[in-house]
Amino acid sequence: AQSVTQLDSQVPVFEEAPVELRCNYSSSVSVYLFWYVQYPNQGLQLLLKYLSGSTLVKGINGFEAEFNKSQTSFHLRKPSVHISDTAEYFCAVYGGATNKLIFGTGTLLAVQP
Amino acid sequence: DTEVTQTPKHLVMGMTNKKSLKCEQHMGHRAMYWYKQKAKKPPELMFVYSYEKLSINESVPSRFSPECPNSSLLNLHLHALQPEDSALYLCASSLPGQGEKLFFGSGTQLSVL
Repeated sequence: AQSVTQLDSQVPVFEEAPVELRCNYSSSVSVYLFWYVQYPNQGLQLLLKYLSGSTLVKGINGFEAEFNKSQTSFHLRKPSVHISDTAEYFCAVYGGATNKLIFGTGTLLAVQP
Repeated sequence: DTEVTQTPKHLVMGMTNKKSLKCEQHMGHRAMYWYKQKAKKPPELMFVYSYEKLSINESVPSRFSPECPNSSLLNLHLHALQPEDSALYLCASSLPGQGEKLFFGSGTQLSVL
């Protein structure tokens, strides 16, 4: 069965600093990987996804992620964050026999001025 | 139109009340989903409809009753809920067989008193 782990429950960072949010997955078969963002009291918005091909994936709002099969990771990065990036970020995996989107526990990105 | 619309945005109900949540999309998606999200937790899948037929029920209590009256609408009927059912209820849709490409609504914040 697939699973995804987000070890950091909260990541504080100053405005204009770079940030990396970590995600590791577990699967015995090929999977698709996703990052979603959730602003307070709102639904989930897809930031980016890895389905196949280039391991460096660029998404919206200046975010990017790199798929690393040997380390089973899909970390999210942004070179310079803004206050408006403050939100909950969920890594998710899809694939295999379950055909379900399985979410990690989320990481709160707290951008401080 | 790439939106999934959920109504109401907020709902407060007593444990003896009967209420319904509504979800609508006009993207031609024939797969629709209900997720439940408790505070500070990831979304958890409740139900999946494919071509207006229930295809997945994640062992959800019978006090939650889903309904898909047509290809654009998804309802969640609520009856005799418990305070622990208070959560954000998210609807999502996708093309059939493309459960990795979900479009989420902004959710209904439910409080059970």
